[in-house]
Amino acid sequence: KAGVTQTPRYLIKTRGQQVTLSCSPISGHRSVSWYQQTPGQGLQFLFEYFSETQRNKGNFPGRFSGRQFSNSRSEMNVSTLELGDSALYLCASQRDYNTGELFFGEGSRLTVL
Amino acid sequence: GNSVTQMEGPVTLSEEAFLTINCTYTATGYPSLFWYVQYPGEGLQLLLKATKADDKGSNKGFEATYRKETTSFHLEKGSVQVSDSAVYFCALNPYSSASKIIFGSGTRLSIRP
Repeated sequence: KAGVTQTPRYLIKTRGQQVTLSCSPISGHRSVSWYQQTPGQGLQFLFEYFSETQRNKGNFPGRFSGRQFSNSRSEMNVSTLELGDSALYLCASQRDYNTGELFFGEGSRLTVL
Repeated sequence: GNSVTQMEGPVTLSEEAFLTINCTYTATGYPSLFWYVQYPGEGLQLLLKATKADDKGSNKGFEATYRKETTSFHLEKGSVQVSDSAVYFCALNPYSSASKIIFGSGTRLSIRP
């Protein structure tokens, strides 16, 4: 059974650009969550989607957005990138909403120059 | 509100030493508790879980007991190996109406041969 797949794995952008990250959950999983991981702030929750609806949102500015498609795949977008957006972005899927058992991808490492 | 506090790292031990990583939580109701592990260059993996008071989760020689009276879920292993070197995250799912899984700050563990 394939795991959670995130693309791209690594990317470099400059300030002011925008970026889109993609996540394919485990087959049959309907919930996708996104986290930002940095050395200083640890793991911070961005948002969670279930059945194409955003169910929860963390305390991030509106520059951070996401969506989920009918096949459960999800994308997140960050517009007007800032240096502080450099981080590892982790996607996690769950079979259903709010089970607590998250299956994580390996992450997309974003560097903003 | 809901929160998780875990011991600061890094923790450095010699191979075959006994490991304890402390985790305490604050939550209303009856949360589920989890330990996740992140090996270098990878996403997080679920290590073990407990869904109610006095439950013991166990996996790969690691154990943790859900103690409601002390609001704790300490991770233990009797004899660590070099391959256990990783970052360990304690987490809870409060199962409230707008809940999201809450992670502790992570504890980096290094095992010396």
